[in-house]
Amino acid sequence: NAGVTQTPKFRVLKTGQSMTLLCAQDMNHEYMYWYRQDPGMGLRLIHYSVGEGTTAKGEVPDGYNVSRLKKQNFLLGLESAAPSQTSVYFCASSYSIGYLMNTEAFFGQGTRLTVV
Amino acid sequence: QQQVKQSPQSLIVQKGGISIINCAYENTAFDYFPWYQQFPGKGPALLIAIRPDVSEKKEGRFTISFNKSAKQFSLHIMDSQPGDSATYFCAASLRTSGTYKYIFGTGTRLKVLA
Repeated sequence: NAGVTQTPKFRVLKTGQSMTLLCAQDMNHEYMYWYRQDPGMGLRLIHYSVGEGTTAKGEVPDGYNVSRLKKQNFLLGLESAAPSQTSVYFCASSYSIGYLMNTEAFFGQGTRLTVV
Repeated sequence: QQQVKQSPQSLIVQKGGISIINCAYENTAFDYFPWYQQFPGKGPALLIAIRPDVSEKKEGRFTISFNKSAKQFSLHIMDSQPGDSATYFCAASLRTSGTYKYIFGTGTRLKVLA
């Protein structure tokens, strides 16, 4: 059982370049999330999705776009990378959210992105 | 309103001691409060969670205390061990019309000395 898989694990980009981070989950979860983790800032929500074909903005969406064309995949795109986007990116998924349901969020191993 | 404030930022505890991490929130729409544990190079993993209608939950050496009126909750690690050294995140889930997400605290880096 792979859980949540992120690719790539590491990447170095030049300012202005674009790239896509891929997240795949095999648990049939409805909810998927993209977070960025920076020192002293914790985990900040970039975008999230409550089901196939839906996306919504989180706390820090600027400079990122997402797509959820298939239930198991959630893509995070950087159209024109900036040094401020240097971070560790985590994808997560959950069956649902809130205490009424099975709500554990499962995280991937992270993608360390450096923009120079 | 949607923030979860976590303290301290870092914590050093002797083996066998008690580690205490605190979190506070403002939004009364939060309805579920998990704690996640993260080891270096890994993604966070669920440690323990509590519902707002419960004041305390214990799982082994880990206990969540929840004070709904004060809008505060805390994680207590009893008999702390070097293997508990990790970063701990409190979180809160928000499930209202059109919004379904987890908000995380800024994290506490715990080091347990052998």
